[in-house]
Amino acid sequence: EDQVTQSPEALRLQEGESSSLNCSYTVSGLRGLFWYRQDPGKGPEFLFTLYSAGEEKEKERLKATLTKKESFLHITAPKPEDSATYLCAVQAGGADGLTFGKGTHLIIQP
Amino acid sequence: ETGVTQTPRHLVMGMTNKKSLKCEQHLGHNAMYWYKQSAKKPLELMFVYNFKEQTENNSVPSRFSPECPNSSHLFLHLHTLQPEDSALYLCASSQSGLGELFFGEGSRLTVL
Repeated sequence: EDQVTQSPEALRLQEGESSSLNCSYTVSGLRGLFWYRQDPGKGPEFLFTLYSAGEEKEKERLKATLTKKESFLHITAPKPEDSATYLCAVQAGGADGLTFGKGTHLIIQP
Repeated sequence: ETGVTQTPRHLVMGMTNKKSLKCEQHLGHNAMYWYKQSAKKPLELMFVYNFKEQTENNSVPSRFSPECPNSSHLFLHLHTLQPEDSALYLCASSQSGLGELFFGEGSRLTVL
């Protein structure tokens, strides 16, 4: 059974304080690993896709990396508007849908 | 209208009611999904439609009945629900086989 575990469940940072969110996974034949951002009362918003170990993607203050067992979402010098829940998901070989983790609730204090 | 639109945004129903959730995508995608989001739980995949054909049904109770009349529209018909079915129901679309899902804002369902 495919599984995604995210840690920590919640993280509170000061503005400008860099950190990383973790996503560990077990999946039969990884087709892709995905990061989404979800704001309160809204649907998840797609951020990144990673396909193979060693791959990295960047967008503004966010950088996602992938190994064979986990992915990290690095947040550099975050701002209050980066506050959200960050969701990690995997797509297994032959599957149409994604398996999601519970998410990390990130709060950036001014 | 752009993106993925879900209606209604909020729904309160009794256990004996019948209601439907509607989803429409304007992105030209050919796959559509229903996910359930409950507090403290990960998003749960309910149904997947590819080119209007249902390709996944994750052991969802029969009181949830999906319908996909074309690749732009998706419905979730609800009947005799239980209070534990109260949740946020999210619709998403994608190009078939790809994991970059585009979500709607969800329908918040409360079952009394």
